[in-house]
Amino acid sequence: ETGVTQSPTHLIKTRGQQVTLRCSSQSGHNTVSWYQQALGQGPQFIFQYYREEENGRGNFPPRFSGLQFPNYSSELNVNALELDDSALYLCASSLAGGGDFYEQYFGPGTRLTVT
Amino acid sequence: SQKIEQNSEALNIQEGKTATLTCNYTNYSPAYLQWYRQDPGRGPVFLLLIRENEKEKRKERLKVTFDTTLKQSLFHITASQPADSATYLCALRGGDTGRRALTFGSGTRLQVQP
Repeated sequence: ETGVTQSPTHLIKTRGQQVTLRCSSQSGHNTVSWYQQALGQGPQFIFQYYREEENGRGNFPPRFSGLQFPNYSSELNVNALELDDSALYLCASSLAGGGDFYEQYFGPGTRLTVT
Repeated sequence: SQKIEQNSEALNIQEGKTATLTCNYTNYSPAYLQWYRQDPGRGPVFLLLIRENEKEKRKERLKVTFDTTLKQSLFHITASQPADSATYLCALRGGDTGRRALTFGSGTRLQVQP
């Protein structure tokens, strides 16, 4: 088990609503990345935060936004939910030094269902 | 465009045999490649990292090879056990999502029969 925790475990929302997912990084890690994983697919990169600043972004619209806090915990916010947003949302923490990182430690994920 | 391909068909093997999983990529020049294991309903777990200047890496019953000419990595599990049954993901850093992101293949499900 990694030291990365995520909440909630499961969530059901209605199309058009907004959702906030939370992640607590492994102790000592200063970088957090968020991924979306649809059923049967690999995780897709949403964005990464390093020292509270967005440090890279994948091909996701602006209604996906995030925050990283001074204690390195993080939030993923999704506005105007669409049915296709139904997926497993994973956060991963890592330790970046000099702008580089290696293995990522994933949390158990939040299963979001949009109806 | 950049692509990572893993065999989408499940791999079924008998306990004790060697499982070999393939990861092919196109239009990448990755500095390193990683392999992860994912069990149903759980997050991926890091297994091994191999750099572009390494041909082979081993860890216990796991072996990874990396051929940058063929643009291919092979992942081997020797003396496989039913507990090795899981989905195995390969991941490259960079690509369209930028140098800081990991780009994953869709994974190959391994089923080891007792």
